[in-house]
Amino acid sequence: SQQGEEDPQALSIQEGENATMNCSYKTSINNLQWYRQNSGRGLVHLILIRSNEREKHSGRLRVTLDTSKKSSSLLITASRAADTASYFCATGGQAGTALIFGKGTTLSVSS
Amino acid sequence: SAVISQKPSRDICQRGTSLTIQCQVDSQVTMMFWYRQQPGQSLTLIATANQGSEATYESGFVIDKFPISRPNLTFSTLTVSNMSPEDSSIYLCSGRSYYQETQYFGPGTRLLVL
Repeated sequence: SQQGEEDPQALSIQEGENATMNCSYKTSINNLQWYRQNSGRGLVHLILIRSNEREKHSGRLRVTLDTSKKSSSLLITASRAADTASYFCATGGQAGTALIFGKGTTLSVSS
Repeated sequence: SAVISQKPSRDICQRGTSLTIQCQVDSQVTMMFWYRQQPGQSLTLIATANQGSEATYESGFVIDKFPISRPNLTFSTLTVSNMSPEDSSIYLCSGRSYYQETQYFGPGTRLLVL
């Protein structure tokens, strides 16, 4: 089952621009994680934010979490063509339970 | 980070046949999961592979169609039985330590059923 929605479903930008993707979820969570999937390849873990955190940074990535609105956003600054991929949010519940994935955003960065 | 390998990486199968996918994880992983990703879609959890006992399946997935084994801590198999073209998907093995939050994924097995 899917946890929630991500928007936009698809995003096309130019190199150097910022890309923002949003994720909403339905149930209470312990953490929220973002993954990247290049076409035809496995998932790469990008960043994890815990339910008691509001913002986290990692390199060009900035993630926010609003548990009152059950939503998160992923910002990629100064996008590069190599950022072209699908991005998924996934929510983690109690210890020992599997991540539940959102529907994903397909990002296309053109040079 | 945990290292997870899968084989085969891809296969083309005839309808009505079965395929077994193998997943090997390193010793950091105590929990193992199987996901399906249909073309153009997100990941859907099939089941949690439990060591030495029956897997725990999610709604919509049954043991007869997707039998799973986990004979030891670091190895699991997923069989896709009596395949139809609708089973064409990427199947991903995933794992993590029980009290760690980051979940790691294998490279996936691309299955095409004709």
